[in-house]
Amino acid sequence: DTEVTQTPKHLVMGMTNKKSLKCEQHMGHRAMYWYKQKAKKPPELMFVYSYEKLSINESVPSRFSPECPNSSLLNLHLHALQPEDSALYLCASSHAPTDSSYEQYFGPGTRLTVT
Amino acid sequence: GQNIDQPTEMTATEGAIVQINCTYQTSGFNGLFWYQQHAGEAPTFLSYNVLDGLEEKGRFSSFLSRSKGYSYLLLKELQMKDSASYLCAVRDDGGFKTIFGAGTRLFVKA
Repeated sequence: DTEVTQTPKHLVMGMTNKKSLKCEQHMGHRAMYWYKQKAKKPPELMFVYSYEKLSINESVPSRFSPECPNSSLLNLHLHALQPEDSALYLCASSHAPTDSSYEQYFGPGTRLTVT
Repeated sequence: GQNIDQPTEMTATEGAIVQINCTYQTSGFNGLFWYQQHAGEAPTFLSYNVLDGLEEKGRFSSFLSRSKGYSYLLLKELQMKDSASYLCAVRDDGGFKTIFGAGTRLFVKA
């Protein structure tokens, strides 16, 4: 199984809502990532979890809150978002850098619209 | 600073060969990746180079020169389905952080 799944596929939320994005992988990867991608732009790294611990936070505003409940799951909790946060949110996973295989496997993404 | 440059767009003909170049200047280097991304879809892994030289995988080949900060992706026997964005990405010394270039949009015409 080389699949990363994300739910929901699409999400429309108001600026006062609280919602969560979910990501799951069963490849035994111990590194998981959240990226944000705007149209015609490359993915921008937001967070990295390694062995269920947050190892990188790219100065992301606190209205985005990541959580890694176990080695297969990654959540992104959203609260009080702004319209400019509308984007495609991609989850990815990979083996830890000490392993030989580094490539990241991406999920299909959640298309988020903030109204 | 971190800088990855690749052409914005390229057009090629079905059945032809196309080379997409990437130059990078990053504070650390722990490998270079190429990903393919179709519009509205997630990136998919194509190749990984950490040592100088050419890696071949079917119709796709990738080359790396670390001393020149340069890589290219070579696509042979182009097919219409190869129309996509191709992202060059560099992994930093720590290993977790991957910096993506802006991507090259390839249009394959009949």
